[in-house]
Amino acid sequence: GAVVSQHPSRVICKSGTSVKIECRSLDFQATTMFWYRQFPKQSLMLMATSNEGSKATYEQGVEKDKFLINHASLTLSTLTVTSAHPEDSSFYICSATRLARLDTQYFGPGTRLTVL
Amino acid sequence: SQKIEQNSEALNIQEGKTATLTCNYTNYSPAYLQWYRQDPGRGPVFLLLIRENEKEKRKERLKVTFDTTLKQSLFHITASQPADSATYLCALDIGAAGNKLTFGGGTRVLVKP
Repeated sequence: GAVVSQHPSRVICKSGTSVKIECRSLDFQATTMFWYRQFPKQSLMLMATSNEGSKATYEQGVEKDKFLINHASLTLSTLTVTSAHPEDSSFYICSATRLARLDTQYFGPGTRLTVL
Repeated sequence: SQKIEQNSEALNIQEGKTATLTCNYTNYSPAYLQWYRQDPGRGPVFLLLIRENEKEKRKERLKVTFDTTLKQSLFHITASQPADSATYLCALDIGAAGNKLTFGGGTRVLVKP
């Protein structure tokens, strides 16, 4: 149990376009969802925390107008990278917690974004 | 400043031996610490959680210790296998609402047959 999926797994886009990444909890209702980014050979950096029906909480230094997060239901959160630029190229990973185990995050497989 | 440090050098180990990884932290007082496994191009997979009042936790061939005085956790893989080759991340609860975690840089383990 506690499976999290992400779509797409890879995306290549042109500079200036927007890209939407979906994160779904497949077999549980997610209390909270988190969005991370990871650069090559570096660790995960938390971007934002998202709860269903409320505005996301962004970490310091993360532009909320650049990285739009929508948490429409207890099983779906989306991250939209607006007006993407090459420096936004990264590995984006979401995670979710469940009510029965709030201290454990279940991660999605990640989305590789490449902006040309 | 707050830091979580893991050995950034890869750990090369012979199959069957025990791999020991270190996670040190400063200026945190975590209620719990977690270890995750991450394979290349994949999201992390939860392995173990150890709370501040626990000294040791085991799960199959994995063992974690937590010393809040030393501010250190050790992660052991006993009887290592080539399939254990991956990057291992430690993560701390940072005490914020919403169970936020902060991650170390990870240590890559390579188990040679």
